[in-house]
Amino acid sequence: DSGVTQTPKHLITATGQRVTLRCSPRSGDLSVYWYQQSLDQGLQFLIQYYNGEERAKGNILERFSAQQFPDLHSELNLSSLELGDSALYFCASSPREGTGISGNTIYFGEGSWLTVV
Amino acid sequence: KNEVEQSPQNLTAQEGEFITINCSYSVGISALHWLQQHPGGGIVSLFMLSSGKKKHGRLIATINIQEKHSSLHITASHPRDSAVYICAAKITSGTYKYIFGTGTRLKVLA
Repeated sequence: DSGVTQTPKHLITATGQRVTLRCSPRSGDLSVYWYQQSLDQGLQFLIQYYNGEERAKGNILERFSAQQFPDLHSELNLSSLELGDSALYFCASSPREGTGISGNTIYFGEGSWLTVV
Repeated sequence: KNEVEQSPQNLTAQEGEFITINCSYSVGISALHWLQQHPGGGIVSLFMLSSGKKKHGRLIATINIQEKHSSLHITASHPRDSAVYICAAKITSGTYKYIFGTGTRLKVLA
């Protein structure tokens, strides 16, 4: 158990709908990362927050948004869903903003399976 | 060409064999992670390297910064090692972005 909790574990929804995925980081971790893993594109970095502020953006679509709340949990909002958005969405957390020589590491949640039908 | 490439893509080994998975990258990095993804989808971070070598049990990870190459070795492989192994490069562009390799699917036969 990594200590990172993601809900829901599985979600099926229709095209055009909006869903929210939730992530609770490990206790004390300030950084939260969101990733998308689809069959054809592998694991893709979406966005990172550190202590409530956006720190880095990857291949995140405009239809997607995220935020990190004062209690450090994070939500990933996916709207106007398309069939191609079906994927496994991972959240990860780390204690500090970066890793590098500090020895910090990154802890992944179990993922949220999203199926768009 | 992907900025992070792994080889092989698929690997089948007999129990007890020594296994090597390679990761090459073409960008500047501050660290490289080796991740293990279980058949159920969960991801575990195995190692984070910025230089040299790390060992944990039967797993050894090495990185050569000059050659932009990292390897993950598994000694005395076991069927429970069957998983997808992914290397993730943390780039040094001033953001905290990770670029992932496509993964190596390992199957260890009893």
